[in-house]
Formats: sequence, C-alpha cells, structure tokens
Amino acid sequence: IQLTQSPSFLSASVGDRVTITCRASQGISSYLAWYQQKPGKAPKLLIYAASTLQSGVPSRFSGSGSGTEFTLTISSLQPEDFATYYCQQLNSYSLTFGGGTKVEIK
Amino acid sequence: QVQLQESGPGLVKPSETLSLTCAVSGYSISSGYYWGWIRQPPGKGLEWIGSIYHSGSTYYNPSLKSRVTISVDTSKNQFSLKLSSVTAADTAVYYCARGHPFDIWGQGTMVTVSS
Repeated sequence: IQLTQSPSFLSASVGDRVTITCRASQGISSYLAWYQQKPGKAPKLLIYAASTLQSGVPSRFSGSGSGTEFTLTISSLQPEDFATYYCQQLNSYSLTFGGGTKVEIK
Repeated sequence: QVQLQESGPGLVKPSETLSLTCAVSGYSISSGYYWGWIRQPPGKGLEWIGSIYHSGSTYYNPSLKSRVTISVDTSKNQFSLKLSSVTAADTAVYYCARGHPFDIWGQGTMVTVSS
C-alpha cells in the first residue's frame, strides 16, 4: 500500500492553520498514524487510528479521514511545531510510511 | 518509564551482515506488543524494516524480506536485527520502536556501509 503525502514542503507562520494530506493507494479503513520528527531526533507519535490523539500531544493537533484520504491539521502553528510530519498505514502487516511533509517557518 | 536503546557496529563492510540489538527497559517484551525496526537514510524518509510480535511471529518489508531476520531474546529483554549482504544503500539511521503504531522509539544509531 503506497501513501502519498501533500504537500511535501510547506512554509507557514506562527499562528497559521496547517493541513497535511495523506492518500492511500487502497482503502485502509482508519489504520493510519501520524508522526512528527525534528532534526536529529526519533519520530514522535502524534495520532493513531486516524483521529485519536496520543497521550501528551497538544490538542491543536487533530486527524481525520478514513478509507483512502486522511488529513493532519494543526489549528494554530507554534514555534515547536516546525518539523517533518509522516503518515503511516497499519492496515496490513506490511507497514508503509508516506514520504513526509516538511513544515518550515515563513 | 519504557526506554529502548539500539546498539551495534557503526560501520559495516559491503556484502557483510549488519547486526543491531535493541535493549528494552521498563517493560517486559514477553508481556505484549509488536517490536519493530525502522531506518532512515541520510536526508530521506522513514522505511519500515520489520516487526516481531511478543510471541515470536515476524513480519518483514517485502523489499527487504530476503535479507532480514528479526529475533527476540526474552531472557535479556531485547530484540535484534540482522540484515545480510549490505550495500551502500543500507547506510541509514536505524531505529527500534515499540508497538503498531510505534509509540516509543529508541534514539537511533547510525550505520554506515563502506569498505
């Protein structure tokens, strides 16, 4: 199952509402997770089951979607949110990640 | 709290076997969860290598399956990765992680394939 993220690069300002899309090549129900990765660090789980916020993750992060189209939304971008975001599908036992979306400061 | 720590050689010669271990603290591997390996080539995205269930069942990325072995040692509370016949394309940061999805990650270890 292929995952296509868009955009691959995003330039935004603090306070902006940001939306990242992840499209699956076939239906994956709600078996989708989102991760945040900062340079030199391991990824951090933000959302699983498409819309469930991982414990400790700020409520400005939200996820939605099912089937083949999913979105990650940051309601008000904070300085610490500038990072690369990855989606991951867990519908099959062959897990795949999207190509990533880098969010940079405008 | 649960912590994972990768260890192994940072340099491997082409055609040889890459071997890494992930030591788990704060949780008994035999109690549950999937345990996985993920890698990230320099400047590139994440690639799932494979996972092992606490019972010992393994699941591998089809593109790497012929070269990968993941095993678990419950007596040492650790799990391991072996990747055979490595080439420069296997140069990456290798992470171990818990769960599907991966909720806890090790810090990662850089492995370079070079003669």
